[in-house]
Amino acid sequence: EPEVTQTPSHQVTQMGQEVILRCVPISNHLYFYWYRQILGQKVEFLVSFYNNEISEKSEIFDDQFSVERPDGSNFTLKIRSTKLEDSAMYFCASSRPGTDTQYFGPGTRLTVL
Amino acid sequence: GENVEQHPSTLSVQEGDSAVIKCTYSDSASNYFPWYKQELGKRPQLIIDIRSNVGEKKDQRIAVTLNKTAKHFSLHITETQPEDSAVYFCAASTRVTGGGNKLTFGTGTQLKVEL
Repeated sequence: EPEVTQTPSHQVTQMGQEVILRCVPISNHLYFYWYRQILGQKVEFLVSFYNNEISEKSEIFDDQFSVERPDGSNFTLKIRSTKLEDSAMYFCASSRPGTDTQYFGPGTRLTVL
Repeated sequence: GENVEQHPSTLSVQEGDSAVIKCTYSDSASNYFPWYKQELGKRPQLIIDIRSNVGEKKDQRIAVTLNKTAKHFSLHITETQPEDSAVYFCAASTRVTGGGNKLTFGTGTQLKVEL
């Protein structure tokens, strides 16, 4: 069964550095999402992406965040200048047309020092 | 925006007993309600879902009920087993204008099934 994949599984960075988190959604899915989960807390929506555009973003998704689909398979989340509070697990998800079911990747644990 | 409340935050049951987790939501436009199971350090795994035009759905030992009028939905697990121990999240889905949908999650329930 196809799954969403994410790389790296764990990223450690210094405050102020840029990071790029990578995701490969399921191949016939057209809607892509990023969520984050701070340790011990609930999963929070960051952004949805469809047809090469952001379709919705949350208050968390400020100017420091950006998303891109650089080719036919990858979907990336960039944080330009990381802060300590960006430390969290970041999940990518995807869904196919005609359904609301979202499938989550294994996550990237981002640690900002 | 949507707000989802989930109770209880922790639930401990004896193996073989039933477990019930309850959620409420605020946005009447929400039309899809999935439940995810998350084991420590792992991705959320969809275990069951229900659409707003359905009142109840069952899949083996797991069932979900939805009361659209009261804006609450519940997860029922019967004959619990130790491998059911995990954090369970409810979510409410709202359509996004540009395409797709947005999930708003509850705060999670830590279920522990004791032998």
